[in-house]
Amino acid sequence: QLRLQLSGPGLVKPSETLSLTCTVSGASITSRTFFWGWVRQPPGKGLEWLGSVSYSGSTYYNPSLKSRLSTSVDASANQFSLRLTSVTAADTAVYYCAGRDGDNYDRDYWGQGTLVTVSS
Amino acid sequence: DIVVTQSPLSLAVTPGEAASISCRSSQRLLQSNGDNHLDWYVQKPGQSPQLLIYLASNRASGVPDRFTGSGSGTYFTLKISRVEAEDVGVYYCMQALQTPGFGQGTRLEIK
Repeated sequence: QLRLQLSGPGLVKPSETLSLTCTVSGASITSRTFFWGWVRQPPGKGLEWLGSVSYSGSTYYNPSLKSRLSTSVDASANQFSLRLTSVTAADTAVYYCAGRDGDNYDRDYWGQGTLVTVSS
Repeated sequence: DIVVTQSPLSLAVTPGEAASISCRSSQRLLQSNGDNHLDWYVQKPGQSPQLLIYLASNRASGVPDRFTGSGSGTYFTLKISRVEAEDVGVYYCMQALQTPGFGQGTRLEIK
């Protein structure tokens, strides 16, 4: 069973960089059919897709965040990561990591979510 | 950019009765191979979202057959034939034809 474990700081200062890591177990991060992505949810609001990365490192970003967002894969650690620069209070949200098999959409997995607060 | 719009934004249903949520896309989500790239998720209280329906009408593994997705092109519907207490949560449609995007969410409550 594929599992995703998200880790990272719960508090980030304004203008700094938010970094999160998602560790994959039960599957290889280099699986040729999987996409690994990030979604966030501001308190009391809906879901916002942020971006995704494929096994090969190809990246896809929400246009509204593209200038501040990057995602990457670390095959040696079976992890994928998110970096969001120049954060503001508007980036305060529960962040989720997720994985989906592009050849079988039924294989859709989400991590537990972590609240990241941007505050000084 | 493709925008998906859900309605209603909230609904309260008596257990055993049916519920229906619609999702309208600003562009057709139908790919040339016949797939409609529209998924449905539910986020139950305190939980991560979980997949209900993929490619508009395919029930995800373990999802009860009370849940049915339908539609094509720009208009899609999620129907719950007999609502149960465990169905409480927020339902989202998500288009995945281009840069993915979620609808606003529909909050389902039990009367």
